[in-house]
Amino acid sequence: DTGVSQDPRHKITKRGQNVTFRCDPISEHNRLYWYRQTLGQGPEFLTYFQNEAQLEKSRLLSDRFSAERPKGSFSTLEIQRTEQGDSAMYLCASRGGGETQYFGPGTRLLVL
Amino acid sequence: EDQVTQSPEALRLQEGESSSLNCSYTVSGLRGLFWYRQDPGKGPEFLFTLYSAGEEKEKERLKATLTKKESFLHITAPKPEDSATYLCAVPDQTGANNLFFGTGTRLTVIP
Repeated sequence: DTGVSQDPRHKITKRGQNVTFRCDPISEHNRLYWYRQTLGQGPEFLTYFQNEAQLEKSRLLSDRFSAERPKGSFSTLEIQRTEQGDSAMYLCASRGGGETQYFGPGTRLLVL
Repeated sequence: EDQVTQSPEALRLQEGESSSLNCSYTVSGLRGLFWYRQDPGKGPEFLFTLYSAGEEKEKERLKATLTKKESFLHITAPKPEDSATYLCAVPDQTGANNLFFGTGTRLTVIP
């Protein structure tokens, strides 16, 4: 069990560019979550996958955001036409049969 | 309405000075209350899950307790390495599968 991993750990981009983040969950965890966290706040839910199916999306997930989980393994989160307001820590979490979600180290995005 | 409220926002303790952090929640039919520790620039690290009033869990200098309206994270004789933000979370009241987090308590332990 190597834990949840995320790549890259840091990303600096210019406004209007597209970015993509990757999350590798704990092996055999079939549930995967994306959250966004800004300074001084707790993580806020973005979207949820069970296996390869995207079952829930928050209203925070605008149409510039898209997430995939092909084959129910790793997941990607893409942000198109980035805005300065997208600057945040993007967290991935996975869950197996229990209730507990285990988080990765996060990807810190800065949009200039 | 906020589902989870944490207090205080920030807490400074001398090394060895015990204290408690509070997490009050408004959800009904609680399906678990979760405590996480988060160091700056890192993802939340799972600490405890509590499911029913009266339940207690301990790990090193930390003890989490749960009542019908709130949870406490007690820190006994803290050390500087306990400095972090402590987050509590509950399953979203809408029935979705995600966790709803409080804003956290930022703990600083001074040597």
